[in-house]
Amino acid sequence: SQTIHQWPATLVQPVGSPLSLECTVEGTSNPNLYWYRQAAGRGLQLLFYSIGIDQISSEVPQNLSASRPQDRQFILSSKKLLLSDSGFYLCACTGTTYEQYFGPGTRLTVT
Amino acid sequence: GQNIDQPTEMTATEGAIVQINCTYQTSGFNGLFWYQQHAGEAPTFLSYNVLDGLEEKGRFSSFLSRSKGYSYLLLKELQMKDSASYLCAVSEVLLYSGGYQKVTFGTGTKLQVIP
Repeated sequence: SQTIHQWPATLVQPVGSPLSLECTVEGTSNPNLYWYRQAAGRGLQLLFYSIGIDQISSEVPQNLSASRPQDRQFILSSKKLLLSDSGFYLCACTGTTYEQYFGPGTRLTVT
Repeated sequence: GQNIDQPTEMTATEGAIVQINCTYQTSGFNGLFWYQQHAGEAPTFLSYNVLDGLEEKGRFSSFLSRSKGYSYLLLKELQMKDSASYLCAVSEVLLYSGGYQKVTFGTGTKLQVIP
């Protein structure tokens, strides 16, 4: 079964600073990968999904970007963070019957 | 697009049964998921319904009616550890996308189990 790693676990960054969150997947090959954000008290918002290396689709316009340099590596970035970027960022991959498995998440606070 | 509705909060007593409802409107339904999310943690998969009917898995069961756009999650013999948010999510598989499924999550139902 697949295992998803995310780091860092928590992050406090000032407004205007850059961001890089990393996600790696073990136990599966050529997975579909997803980045979600969950703001406090709100539902999961899909940010990006990827069906393969260098194949990234964005679901919502924002100041974030994603890259997939390797099959099992998915990176979420920003050049300049906004206060509204605060939230719980979750990486996920799809299982054999379409269920999604989530990583442990990164809690980002922009100050 | 998809619109998903579920109650914001529910309270139930330890040992009791609770039913969490979810209604959805979607243009291309493929399946419905239920996830459990404890505070501060990532969601974990509970169930996946594709066809109408009831799927039972231990203390948890999930029901789907595609014609009514309705699902529920049934939790029996409630335990204190069942206190969590329960997320309903609807998927649609996009054609010519290499199997990508677009999953839309509801905002979740926060269940509090009391002694």
